[in-house]
Amino acid sequence: DAGVIQSPRHEVTEMGQEVTLRCKPISGHNSLFWYRQTMMRGLELLIYFNNNVPIDDSGMPEDRFSAKMPNASFSTLKIQPSEPRDSAVYFCASSRDGNNEQFFGPGTRLTVL
Amino acid sequence: KQEVTQIPAALSVPEGENLVLNCSFTDSAIYNLQWFRQDPGKGLTSLLLIQSSQREQTSGRLNASLDKSSGRSTLYIAASQPGDSATYLCAVPTGNQFYFGTGTSLTVIP
Repeated sequence: DAGVIQSPRHEVTEMGQEVTLRCKPISGHNSLFWYRQTMMRGLELLIYFNNNVPIDDSGMPEDRFSAKMPNASFSTLKIQPSEPRDSAVYFCASSRDGNNEQFFGPGTRLTVL
Repeated sequence: KQEVTQIPAALSVPEGENLVLNCSFTDSAIYNLQWFRQDPGKGLTSLLLIQSSQREQTSGRLNASLDKSSGRSTLYIAASQPGDSATYLCAVPTGNQFYFGTGTSLTVIP
C-alpha cells in the first residue's frame, strides 16, 4: 500500500490567494483527518470525516477554511483567502475507523507570504 | 477539554541506555492511546496503539503502558540507538476530538 498521499508537498503563495491541499487516504480506511502543525500550537485537529461525512469541524479556525470529501478516496482542504498566519504543515491521516490506529501522510508545508 | 502533557520536553541519552517517555492526560474517558514518532521535516509514524481496556503493548524494543485511572502512559525504549533520535508524541481520542501532546525530543548519542 502506498500509504496516505498528500499533494503538493510544498506550497508557497501570496497573501489573498486560494490554496487547495489534497489527500488520498489508504484504501479501505473510512475515516480521514486533517491536522495543522505549528511550532507555537503543536498538532491541532481541523476536521474529521467518517464515511465521507464531516463528523467534527470545530477545529477549523475560520470560515476561510473549508474541507470536502467527495468520495472515499479523495479529500481537499481549501483556504480562501490565505493569510501569513496560515503558514504551517498540514497533515492528512486516515484510519479504518474513527478510533483506530491513524496513519499519517508526509504533510504539505504551506508558506503564505 | 482534554489536556495532554509530555515530560520531559527534551531528552539526551548515550547509546545503549534504556529510557522512559511519559504522557499524561486529564480526561480518562479515552478510547485508546497512540504513540508516534516524528522525524524532522517528516510526517508521523505510528509506533503503538493501546486500547483503553489494555494495560500494555509491545513492539520490538518498544513497550507502552497505559493506566487510565491515573491518566498516564509510558513508552519504554530498550537499548536505545542513534536511529531512535526523533520527537515522540502521544495522542488520545476523546469524544470526537483527537488530542496530541507537545512531544518529547529524543537524542541518542553514539
